[in-house]
Amino acid sequence: EADIYQTPRYLVIGTGKKITLECSQTMGHDKMYWYQQDPGMELHLIHYSYGVNSTEKGDLSSESTVSRIRTEHFPLTLESARPSHTSQYLCATSTGGSPAFFGQGTRLTVV
Amino acid sequence: QKEVEQNSGPLSVPEGAIASLNCTYSDRGSQSFFWYRQYSGKSPELIMSIYSNGDKEDGRFTAQLNKASQYVSLLIRDSQPSDSATYLCAVNGDSDTGRRALTFGSGTRLQVQP
Repeated sequence: EADIYQTPRYLVIGTGKKITLECSQTMGHDKMYWYQQDPGMELHLIHYSYGVNSTEKGDLSSESTVSRIRTEHFPLTLESARPSHTSQYLCATSTGGSPAFFGQGTRLTVV
Repeated sequence: QKEVEQNSGPLSVPEGAIASLNCTYSDRGSQSFFWYRQYSGKSPELIMSIYSNGDKEDGRFTAQLNKASQYVSLLIRDSQPSDSATYLCAVNGDSDTGRRALTFGSGTRLQVQP
């Protein structure tokens, strides 16, 4: 069954730690997205990839980085976590003019 | 000007009424249009896709697209309390390059009063 997997679902981590949020898909989609969303607020695109080795920063300035070495994998890394990074991070995929489909999200808390 | 504009609401309607949600977009080259529903604390889920001018119906939902006026709307008939959520409009302006990202509006919060 084609799907989008995000791990971990919940993460509580200390300030200054390095974090990698994982996103994998079995849908074969060429485009992958990372969104950041605070409770009750709008989605903010932080990173976007339209293919292997092709990534772009989104509308929201972010201290995170991404890589796209394989089609199915799009990890997001924070080198040094801060309380301001506390948020929900959503991964999505799409292809061509088709809609995007979302993973279940990672809720990150930095203490 | 944002690429995709939605009224943030909340839009409050009584149970059984028709809820009308609107969205405007700025890129005339946009090709495909989507409506998502997002419950609090959950991920957005796709409820409607529309690609050509006119109406598209699916159960209690009707999406309407007018490319000349650059707006897309979602009608929810016989609104239920379970329809209370934030509704996101998304627009895909990708045509030749295959590199454009899907663009989301900020969402309209719908409240259906029992």
